[in-house]
Amino acid sequence: QKEVEQNSGPLSVPEGAIASLNCTYSDRGSQSFFWYRQYSGKSPELIMSIYSNGDKEDGRFTAQLNKASQYVSLLIRDSQPSDSATYLCAVNRNFNKFYFGSGTKLNVKP
Amino acid sequence: GAGVSQSPSNKVTEKGKDVELRCDPISGHTALYWYRQSLGQGLEFLIYFQGNSAPDKSGLPSDRFSAERTGGSVSTLTIQRTQQEDSAVYLCASSNRGGDAGAEAFFGQGTRLTVV
Repeated sequence: QKEVEQNSGPLSVPEGAIASLNCTYSDRGSQSFFWYRQYSGKSPELIMSIYSNGDKEDGRFTAQLNKASQYVSLLIRDSQPSDSATYLCAVNRNFNKFYFGSGTKLNVKP
Repeated sequence: GAGVSQSPSNKVTEKGKDVELRCDPISGHTALYWYRQSLGQGLEFLIYFQGNSAPDKSGLPSDRFSAERTGGSVSTLTIQRTQQEDSAVYLCASSNRGGDAGAEAFFGQGTRLTVV
């Protein structure tokens, strides 16, 4: 079983819609959760971190964490073509190495 | 520096040669990570440093790979006798362990290694 699982996609949404990206993790001891965006040919860029159950909002992005279900999600409101990228979910426990999912490719169609 | 800096950005080397990849983390970040990403693939963990120590180097693919970190800052990843399967983008990240901010990690721009 992989530490972090993501649907590879592609997820296609029309411009202006809400994109919903999901991630599950296997270790209940995981403490910190992150979403990275990676454009083709570029390195991952941190967009959200979340540490407590519930929602965390930052601009058009909302991260949701449910530790009981071992589930993390990222909502992108008012999706723009510039949001088209691969989104990587990462988890960390005990401040050790980060475990990354394989990423979900998002396509936002104009 | 303002961000994680990696050098070189690109490296083309002949099979069998040794290469050194350098990572200069964000100033003050105690943790440093090396990952590898092959074309179209996910991130493969190589090694993690806390200070100058490597508590986890379980991801190093073979004994041709080694890494060190000095002064709690710059790290060098060395690949000896390179093989074509070593071709990938090598990514370095650093984080500031602990505190309410958790352990957010920030990546450098990567070194694209091509073994011909």
